Amino acid sequence: DVKVTQSSRYLVKRTGEKVFLECVQDMDHENMFWYRQDPGLGLRLIYFSYDVKMKEKGDIPEGYSVSREKKERFSLILESASTNQTSMYLCASSFSGAFSGNTIYFGEGSWLTVV
Amino acid sequence: AQKITQTQPGMFVQEKEAVTLDCTYDTSDQSYGLFWYKQPSSGEMIFLIYQGSYDEQNATEGRYSLNFQKARKSANLVISASQLGDSAMYFCAMREDLYGNNRLAFGKGNQVVVIP
Repeated sequence: DVKVTQSSRYLVKRTGEKVFLECVQDMDHENMFWYRQDPGLGLRLIYFSYDVKMKEKGDIPEGYSVSREKKERFSLILESASTNQTSMYLCASSFSGAFSGNTIYFGEGSWLTVV
Repeated sequence: AQKITQTQPGMFVQEKEAVTLDCTYDTSDQSYGLFWYKQPSSGEMIFLIYQGSYDEQNATEGRYSLNFQKARKSANLVISASQLGDSAMYFCAMREDLYGNNRLAFGKGNQVVVIP
């Protein structure tokens, strides 16, 4: 089974803190994604990476950065956390390419509260 | 512009009945893929079913089927014989193959509660 593991399930951080959300996948997937989920807004793509050290902005990259130093690991960084970044964060991975049935697999999510 | 539209309010469904969740999409691409995911209260996103834009038959996976109407740009999910464990949020998503990167755009989701 595909396993996408997010390091922290629940976090509480203070405004202005630097926050790291870590994600590891065990399927040798090229692509990795970070989504943010808010009630009534669905999932919105923050950043994705299609290879080591490669990244592309998604729909809402402001206030976030990412790091992918190894193929299996994709980190989301909040340089200076703000209360409007309180949300659930979902990491996902998949093989590269837009072919039939190329499924994206998700982690269990990280609930971040910024106070 | 919103690419995936899910507008139904929360739904209550009687156990063992079928339920249809609506999804319409917007794309000018000829090649694309449509996905449905389930998210129970635990938060994990579970892949349910996939339909490619060139697939001539509607996709089916067990109790899940996708009613694909390409001309109307709709991809409704049908869950037959609902079970209590089907209570969850359901998300429709689309991949536009033009970009080749397997990036998905999601709708806002439909809440389903199955009642005994």
